[in-house]
Amino acid sequence: NAGVTQTPKFRVLKTGQSMTLLCAQDMNHEYMYWYRQDPGMGLRLIHYSVGEGTTAKGEVPDGYNVSRLKKQNFLLGLESAAPSQTSVYFCASSRSTGAGELFFGEGSRLTVL
Amino acid sequence: GQSLEQPSEVTAVEGAIVQINCTYQTSGFYGLSWYQQHDGGAPTFLSYNALDGLEETGRFSSFLSRSDSYGYLLLQELQMKDSASYFCAVTSGGYQKVTFGTGTKLQVIP
Repeated sequence: NAGVTQTPKFRVLKTGQSMTLLCAQDMNHEYMYWYRQDPGMGLRLIHYSVGEGTTAKGEVPDGYNVSRLKKQNFLLGLESAAPSQTSVYFCASSRSTGAGELFFGEGSRLTVL
Repeated sequence: GQSLEQPSEVTAVEGAIVQINCTYQTSGFYGLSWYQQHDGGAPTFLSYNALDGLEETGRFSSFLSRSDSYGYLLLQELQMKDSASYFCAVTSGGYQKVTFGTGTKLQVIP
């Protein structure tokens, strides 16, 4: 059982480049989340989705876009990367009746030069 | 919006008991969760409280007081492997948005 899988795990970008992070879950979860984690800042919610075709903004959505075309996948896009987006990105999923239990992927470390 | 406060660092002795507090401000509160994260790893779920009171899972217990917007995580019989960061998180809103605190780094010393 793979759980939540993130690709890529590491990426280096130049300022202004674009990229997409892919999150896939095989647990048939309704809810999916993208967080970024920076030293001393905890986990900050970027965007989340409560079902296929629906997305919502979190605490720090600027500079990111997301799509949930299939229930099992949640994509996070950076249209024009900036050094401030250097971070570790975590995807998570949960059941709609999941009692606050999020299942996390292993993280994707992104460096923007 | 939401805000959560927890201590940034705690040090405790192996075999002892430690309590990590969390206070929160939010609208549409559903429940309070706790997560553990070791350096370089992903957060893992520990517990969830939707109602007032104490929930016990092995060496870990979690408490919630909705009227005080306060909760805590209690770790008993501390082991060296418990050295990690611990995050409280609030589930709120109609779509169950989950917002995390900034985390408490626990160091267990011999």
